[in-house]
Amino acid sequence: GAGVSQTPSNKVTEKGKYVELRCDPISGHTALYWYRQSLGQGPEFLIYFQGTGAADDSGLPNDRFFAVRPEGSVSTLKIQRTERGDSAVYLCASSLVITDTQYFGPGTRLTVL
Amino acid sequence: DAKTTQPNSMESNEEEPVHLPCNHSTISGTDYIHWYRQLPSQGPEYVIHGLTSNVNNRMASLAIAEDRKSSTLILHRATLRDAAVYYCILRDDDYGQNFVFGPGTRLSVLP
Repeated sequence: GAGVSQTPSNKVTEKGKYVELRCDPISGHTALYWYRQSLGQGPEFLIYFQGTGAADDSGLPNDRFFAVRPEGSVSTLKIQRTERGDSAVYLCASSLVITDTQYFGPGTRLTVL
Repeated sequence: DAKTTQPNSMESNEEEPVHLPCNHSTISGTDYIHWYRQLPSQGPEYVIHGLTSNVNNRMASLAIAEDRKSSTLILHRATLRDAAVYYCILRDDDYGQNFVFGPGTRLSVLP
């Protein structure tokens, strides 16, 4: 079946611009997670959703980062006023319920020039 | 979540078994041991997980020490496709939620 998909696969933007990264989870999965991965490091948790609500956003680095999941399926991670330090691979994962195995998408590579 | 310690890198020859160690001396009674791996330019993928007993699946085996302070992921016959970063992660699966990834072990497989 279809796995987690993320679009775009690559995004290049200029410092100060706004970007949106999209995640399509596996159908029927209620939990959705966003992670960020810098070069040579393991993924770092940002936020997770249980249904439509953000159950834990403690990993968001600052208020420039925001994520939504309005219908409990697709999620969008939004970054305002991008900075060069935001450059990373942004990973999305979903699971049937929060205690279940997480399935990851291929990630979106964000480059801020 | 309790912390895990893994070697930074390991090497193996193709078609030989590989034993990837993980130390987790501060593991709590409700923490499950999860292993994920990340192939180049891909997201992490699930390998195996367990609580107390050894576990086997089509990808690997997980051997858990009796005191649960360490575990070993076993790939029975390494292939070139197994070259990846392997992450050992603890999570209280009674509550679930996010994983806390460390730097993992980078496995190289030599032909």
